Amino acid sequence: SYELTQPPSVSVSPGQTASITCSGDKLGDKYVSWYQQKPGQSPVLFIYRDIERPSGIPARFSGSNSGNTATLTIRGTQAVDEADYYCQAWDRSTVVFGGGTKLTVL
Amino acid sequence: EVQLVESGGGVVRPGESLRLSCAASGFIFENYGLCWVRQVPGKGLEWVSGIYWNGDTVGYAESVKGRFTISRDNAKKSLYLQMNSLRAEDTALYHCAKSRIVGGSNDGFDIWGQGTLITVSS
Repeated sequence: SYELTQPPSVSVSPGQTASITCSGDKLGDKYVSWYQQKPGQSPVLFIYRDIERPSGIPARFSGSNSGNTATLTIRGTQAVDEADYYCQAWDRSTVVFGGGTKLTVL
Repeated sequence: EVQLVESGGGVVRPGESLRLSCAASGFIFENYGLCWVRQVPGKGLEWVSGIYWNGDTVGYAESVKGRFTISRDNAKKSLYLQMNSLRAEDTALYHCAKSRIVGGSNDGFDIWGQGTLITVSS
């Protein structure tokens, strides 16, 4: 079965750039979505189709996807961005989520 | 307001069955694919099952294949998950989620319900 691998945790200082990776075989051939989830809340779609942001998502969030790795980049990270982030892709007719990355803003 | 509201969760014993429902409002229900995603508290997201807009195409995670059945009633704007032969490892918060695009595949999920908790314990 297809797998997506994320680092369990990423730390960043306020105002700096955070990068969260998501790896999978030939992931660049698939569309990747990214979700933010805060404690006690449901996931929120932050990036779809690799690079697109839904309305209302701050421009400091961006995505990329090439080769075997997709990346969620947060520029000018703020304390409010501290959360769990999940990547997601489709493999044939099933959906796969990465294991999630806890972003800590120190 | 676009929203999804799950119901039907509870505490059951191993081997028992449960049926989850997800009531939709605020969008043209019959146009979109939907899915169930579960999350053990404190753990990651796991896709359970999905169904295309017309109900003709469904998919299941290997962990639930043969035990769970997804269905939808477009007239009632509702999504269902029939869960049979429940196991302790099925214990989780179950969310329903809506595909971002008409049809329902190869894209993200833009609307999520708050979830309904299933506990399987003897």
